[in-house]
Amino acid sequence: GAVVSQHPSWVICKSGTSVKIECRSLDFQATTMFWYRQFPKQSLMLMATSNEGSKATYEQGVEKDKFLINHASLTLSTLTVTSAHPEDSSFYICSARESGQGTDTQYFGPGTRLTVL
Amino acid sequence: AQKITQTQPGMFVQEKEAVTLDCTYDTSDPSYGLFWYKQPSSGEMIFLIYQGSYDQQNATEGRYSLNFQKARKSANLVISASQLGDSAMYFCAMREYVTGNQFYFGTGTSLTVIP
Repeated sequence: GAVVSQHPSWVICKSGTSVKIECRSLDFQATTMFWYRQFPKQSLMLMATSNEGSKATYEQGVEKDKFLINHASLTLSTLTVTSAHPEDSSFYICSARESGQGTDTQYFGPGTRLTVL
Repeated sequence: AQKITQTQPGMFVQEKEAVTLDCTYDTSDPSYGLFWYKQPSSGEMIFLIYQGSYDQQNATEGRYSLNFQKARKSANLVISASQLGDSAMYFCAMREYVTGNQFYFGTGTSLTVIP
């Protein structure tokens, strides 16, 4: 089956620093990738949708300047949390939609746990 | 209104028994897709099963089946012969194909399989 990887799987950083999270589709091309945020024991919240080669579409309430998303290739999207603060601590999950397939399925990455001290 | 509603925050099932996880949805789109995901304690999201709104038959994938009742707007997940490894969080999701591309997730159901 299709595999999506995320790196790093967990990260601890100091307040004020920036953190970059990578999302890769390993064995398929993904024109669209999605970034979610999950709070403990809650559902996923869609943060933004990124399409290869174009600007990401952010959901209402998500700060574009704080959560920078780049989808530079068909297999890689990055989320950069700039000037991270403790309230940004969360579980970040990406997903990728396979290009040109009849079924419409998103494949999720394993997630990245961010802890901001 | 909630797009996806999962009314069971927690469920328990005896090992080897079947269990049904409820999901209702709300959409006016004529074309949509329904998904179920499993999230173990590790946090990763695992795709389980998909049902398209125009699919005539209920989807099945191994021990997973989706009880799709379009008129009632429900898409319940049935897990047969539960295993200890099935203990996880289960999310129902929907994607509307006409009005947008966003995924709508339910709040999840925590399933615990008892030996």
